[in-house]
Amino acid sequence: GESVGLHLPTLSVQEGDNSIINCAYSNSASDYFIWYKQESGKGPQFIIDIRSNMDKRQGQRVTVLLNKTVKHLSLQIAATQPGDSAVYFCAESYLSGNTPLVFGKGTRLSVIA
Amino acid sequence: ETGVTQTPRHLVMGMTNKKSLKCEQHLGHNAMYWYKQSAKKPLELMFVYNFKEQTENNSVPSRFSPECPNSSHLFLHLHTLQPEDSALYLCASSHSRDRGDQPQHFGDGTRLSIL
Repeated sequence: GESVGLHLPTLSVQEGDNSIINCAYSNSASDYFIWYKQESGKGPQFIIDIRSNMDKRQGQRVTVLLNKTVKHLSLQIAATQPGDSAVYFCAESYLSGNTPLVFGKGTRLSVIA
Repeated sequence: ETGVTQTPRHLVMGMTNKKSLKCEQHLGHNAMYWYKQSAKKPLELMFVYNFKEQTENNSVPSRFSPECPNSSHLFLHLHTLQPEDSALYLCASSHSRDRGDQPQHFGDGTRLSIL
């Protein structure tokens, strides 16, 4: 999940298994959420987003789940591949209030071949 | 190809130098952003431009000076920086700063080291 300390949480997954990365967001008014993937030496890459009127959205091999009751967001990656190894972080925004994105610290996903 | 290009990719400078970071986006977006990414910290928003107008300055020290001559280009002018300014500086763009016009698309950043 998202770090509240100095260390980046790490998730190690066997190649081919499913990965679940969690994020606890802070603002109950947030109505828009994004997951980004950042590989070493590169900038954050958009993966998938979801608005608060939905609780699930699927992309290619990825699914985002939103639980507004407990302010929790998760990213599920199916059949994890070595190329999925990266830092993943969520971002939240209150679009109706025109507030900027607020980013979490991220989770490092390591895929074991 | 991310659609957002940042130059240089790496920059080493002394505390008394003056340098500029450049960002160019080829996505037809109208909002551009500067972020600072330090180790073990979340992305920190620095500046936002929407249709060439600066809409946010997130309490950034004056030794960082942004410039947005048009919707496709963004600069960050640096002078008299401190060692704690060493970080990855990321540029991003989005359709516009208005509500509903996310997400942001990022460049690969400039790795800045202050000696």
